[in-house]
Amino acid sequence: DAGVIQSPRHEVTEMGQEVTLRCKPISGHNSLFWYRQTMMRGLELLIYFNNNVPIDDSGMPEDRFSAKMPNASFSTLKIQPSEPRDSAVYFCASSLGGGRSGELFFGEGSRLTVL
Amino acid sequence: AQRVTQPEKLLSVFKGAPVELKCNYSYSGSPELFWYVQYSRQRLQLLLRHISRESIKGFTADLNKGETSFHLKKPFAQEEDSAMYYCALRGYSTLTFGKGTMLLVSP
Repeated sequence: DAGVIQSPRHEVTEMGQEVTLRCKPISGHNSLFWYRQTMMRGLELLIYFNNNVPIDDSGMPEDRFSAKMPNASFSTLKIQPSEPRDSAVYFCASSLGGGRSGELFFGEGSRLTVL
Repeated sequence: AQRVTQPEKLLSVFKGAPVELKCNYSYSGSPELFWYVQYSRQRLQLLLRHISRESIKGFTADLNKGETSFHLKKPFAQEEDSAMYYCALRGYSTLTFGKGTMLLVSP
């Protein structure tokens, strides 16, 4: 298994543009997590899904952010419109059993720069 | 609320020196604590968990409920230990991470 796959690896866009980040979890994992990493705030949980259903989205910064998981093998995180303060590395992770074991498997991240 | 504090952003040591990466947590229940590591150009990955009481790559961590700490230790640091280390807590549901500590081991 190639592990969690994220795309794009790097994205540079201008303020106001729509950004879509994609994630393919490990096959068989039933939980998926989106994290944002910044120097100031570290790793922050944005949202997590269990069996394709959003369970906790309290970490989503504001209405400009939305996430979907239409099926067990695909999720998107969308920012519309994007702002410079959204610049960060966005990680997707997957696990079995809602992450209760504590072991999350992370993707390589998508580095977003909003100019 | 659950919170994880890693007071040091950067820890720089020489090869062969002892290392202690500090982690304190805040949680009202019985927590599960973990250390994750991210080596250069690699994915963030689980290093160890407190319930396993194991030593991984020479690292150990003991949960101290009295001090609400879960410090990561290694008696003799190696250059290949240079990485970003995150302490994480699983309380009510998902993992809450600290802000991370960059460990630099110089020759």
